[in-house]
Amino acid sequence: DTAVSQTPKYLVTQMGNDKSIKCEQNLGHDTMYWYKQDSKKFLKIMFSYNNKELIINETVPNRFSPKSPDKAHLNLHINSLELGDSAVYFCASSQFQGNTEAFFGQGTRLTVV
Amino acid sequence: QKEVEQNSGPLSVPEGAIASLNCTYSDQGSQSFFWYRQYSGKSPELIMFIYSNGDKEDGRFTAQLNKASQYVSLLIRDSQPSDSATYLCAVNKGDFGNEKLTFGTGTRLTIIP
Repeated sequence: DTAVSQTPKYLVTQMGNDKSIKCEQNLGHDTMYWYKQDSKKFLKIMFSYNNKELIINETVPNRFSPKSPDKAHLNLHINSLELGDSAVYFCASSQFQGNTEAFFGQGTRLTVV
Repeated sequence: QKEVEQNSGPLSVPEGAIASLNCTYSDQGSQSFFWYRQYSGKSPELIMFIYSNGDKEDGRFTAQLNKASQYVSLLIRDSQPSDSATYLCAVNKGDFGNEKLTFGTGTRLTIIP
């Protein structure tokens, strides 16, 4: 059983399109995150949600909209994709807000062409 | 100054030797410190965390923290080829309820058989 799972694993799309990435965790954690890892492998937090409530929004363009229908799911919708959005997006979860021992999903490699 | 700094490497260590990975951080208010291992094309995997000054040992891994010097390190004893990966240092910082992990850019470690 995968603890934190994301779909799709790979996503290739054209500039201007809208796409979504889905994430689910079965660890019973309260807090979920989206991270972006760029081509230089730098991993940076984008959003965190605690029990469906947005806690952290790290100056991400508003083309990125996270949604958490329940505490086990956190999706990321991206509008009007740009070349610079190409990266690996990781979903992660931790037991509760303030406990940042994060467990990561397998990542979604997004390529915008 | 970057919030979390690591030497990007590559760091090459002979099999069986001790690999020493270093990390410095800028925020004196940082409370907890993590080491993640990331194999190429895979997601980060938590291997150690440390909250208090001093050493913490787990199997072949030892994390060392010196808050006065704002320095955290990871020692890997009896290095194995399977230890070849990128090691990410991460620091937990932020106000209560807004804690987040800030990552360094990682050190690429290669164990030479």
